Amino acid sequence: NAGVMQNPRHLVRRRGQEARLRCSPMKGHSHVYWYRQLPEEGLKFMVYLQKENIIDESGMPKERFSAEFPKEGPSILRIQQVVRGDSAAYFCASWDRGHGDTEAFFGQGTRLTVV
Amino acid sequence: AQSVTQLGSHVSVSEGALVLLRCNYSSSVPPYLFWYVQYPNQGLQLLLKYTTGATLVKGINGFEAEFKKSETSFHLTKPSAHMSDAAEYFCAVSKAAGNKLTFGGGTRVLVKP
Repeated sequence: NAGVMQNPRHLVRRRGQEARLRCSPMKGHSHVYWYRQLPEEGLKFMVYLQKENIIDESGMPKERFSAEFPKEGPSILRIQQVVRGDSAAYFCASWDRGHGDTEAFFGQGTRLTVV
Repeated sequence: AQSVTQLGSHVSVSEGALVLLRCNYSSSVPPYLFWYVQYPNQGLQLLLKYTTGATLVKGINGFEAEFKKSETSFHLTKPSAHMSDAAEYFCAVSKAAGNKLTFGGGTRVLVKP
């Protein structure tokens, strides 16, 4: 059973470009969280999605950031017109109520560098 | 709103010495508490967690933590540090199973030979 898969692991974008980060949850998991880790800081919650629904986006910046988790395929975190301040590690975590787990499982993260 | 405070952003210990990482939280409901470890350029690995029941929790790699409700603390300890313990450690809290996590700022541990 593969773990949470994130790709790419490293992503370099020029200012103004778009960044697309992908997260494939663990098999059978229908809940996905996205977190951002700025340099030298802890992780901060961004968004919580279930299949085809955004449940909680209270941590998402108001502009340029969006997330989706379609019925089929990975969850996508999209950052439009990236700026230097978007440089960070982005982690996703997946979970499912039916498995009896008390916590979500984290992927290895995508490290975004904006140049 | 929940919050987590980790005292000390950097801790230096000698190999074989006690490791003590402090975590205090605030929560309006009985919390679920977690400690994660992160090695450079890696993801987060769960060390241990408290949900209900016994307040002394044992985790992987010889770590343990004690939930003290009266002190709103969940400090992490290891009796004898190993060089491989050098990493960053994060304390986190959630309201219930599978809920979003609120993280502390992290404590970077340096182990001296």
